[in-house]
Amino acid sequence: QKEVEQNSGPLSVPEGAIASLNCTYSDRGSQSFFWYRQYSGKSPELIMFIYSNGDKEDGRFTAQLNKASQYVSLLIRDSQPSDSATYLCAVLRDAGNMLTFGGGTRLMVKP
Amino acid sequence: DGGITQSPKYLFRKEGQNVTLSCEQNLNHDAMYWYRQDPGQGLRLIYYSQIVNDFQKGDIAEGYSVSREKKESFPLTVTSAQKNPTAFYLCASSIIPGPYGYTFGSGTRLTVV
Repeated sequence: QKEVEQNSGPLSVPEGAIASLNCTYSDRGSQSFFWYRQYSGKSPELIMFIYSNGDKEDGRFTAQLNKASQYVSLLIRDSQPSDSATYLCAVLRDAGNMLTFGGGTRLMVKP
Repeated sequence: DGGITQSPKYLFRKEGQNVTLSCEQNLNHDAMYWYRQDPGQGLRLIYYSQIVNDFQKGDIAEGYSVSREKKESFPLTVTSAQKNPTAFYLCASSIIPGPYGYTFGSGTRLTVV
């Protein structure tokens, strides 16, 4: 079992819709979770992080964490074609700030 | 502006050659990391360093070597022992202890010819 799992996609949504990206993790002791966006051929950029159960909102992005069920999700409201990218979920391994990355979900927003 | 600089952007290697990828940061971060990304795949950790003159193997260290002689620099050598080196290589840095996200460099695309 992979430590961090994501559906590879592609997830296709129409412009203006809500895109929902999911991530599950195996280590019940994981404390902090990160979402990165990666455009094709580019390096990942941090979108959000979350460490408390519940929702965290930042503009059009909402991260949701459920530690009991061991999943974290990212919602993108009012999706735009510019949101088309691969979204990587990362989980903090330990206090040394080691991250384990999932394989990423490719999102396609169609005009 | 603070950031991480990776060079070169593209690199071609002949079979049996060693090549070194450069990574320099001016963020004053203690920790630095090297990841490999294959097409359609996530990031896999090669090596990391949390302090000068010390580094640790990641999940796929075989065929790679690193050094950390200065806080700002963490070069990666891809040796001839790495049988399938064609990939996108990403260097990152972070503040430690966490939790903090990583700052990534722009990457080096290595191709074996």
